[in-house]
Amino acid sequence: NAGVTQTPKFQVLKTGQSMTLQCAQDMNHNSMYWYRQDPGMGLRLIYYSASEGTTDKGEVPNGYNVSRLNKREFSLRLESAAPSQTSVYFCASRRRPLETQYFGPGTRLLVL
Amino acid sequence: GESVGLHLPTLSVQEGDNSIINCAYSNSASDYFIWYKQESGKGPQFIIDIRSNMDKRQGQRVTVLLNKTVKHLSLQIAATQPGDSAVYFCAEKEVGNAGNMLTFGGGTRLMVKP
Repeated sequence: NAGVTQTPKFQVLKTGQSMTLQCAQDMNHNSMYWYRQDPGMGLRLIYYSASEGTTDKGEVPNGYNVSRLNKREFSLRLESAAPSQTSVYFCASRRRPLETQYFGPGTRLLVL
Repeated sequence: GESVGLHLPTLSVQEGDNSIINCAYSNSASDYFIWYKQESGKGPQFIIDIRSNMDKRQGQRVTVLLNKTVKHLSLQIAATQPGDSAVYFCAEKEVGNAGNMLTFGGGTRLMVKP
């Protein structure tokens, strides 16, 4: 049971480039989440998917898009990366109706 | 235990001592609270949670206390070990939040001196 996995672990982009961050969970969880974490700060929610087929904006959705590909996978896309999107991105999942979210190891993104 | 921007509050304790990490929250409509531990370069790891109808919950070496009157949450770690060194985050969820969105505090760094 791998839990929540994320790829890639590290990525360097130039301003304006696009990329997709991948997240998968093997715990049969219904809901999935994308957060960003900036230095010395807590996590801020970008987007979430309460269940397969639905997605909703979180606190900081601008500049991002998401796709809930199936129950296991939830991807985050940056269409035109900006230096302000330099951050560590975490994916999480939970099994409804329980409230505990379980996190992946993160993707470290640097936008030059 | 609240964040002051980029400068994480730091708690330094001696190995074997008890640690208390504090968190103030602002939303009186929050009904669920959770503590995470984050080691350097890793994702947040669930430690313990508590619902608003409780004021105390115990786990293995950890206890969470909730004081709704003053909107305060604390995490107590007994017999702190070097492996407890990490950043600790509290998070809260508002009642009726359909997506179960968590709001995170800024974190507190715990340093354990051998």
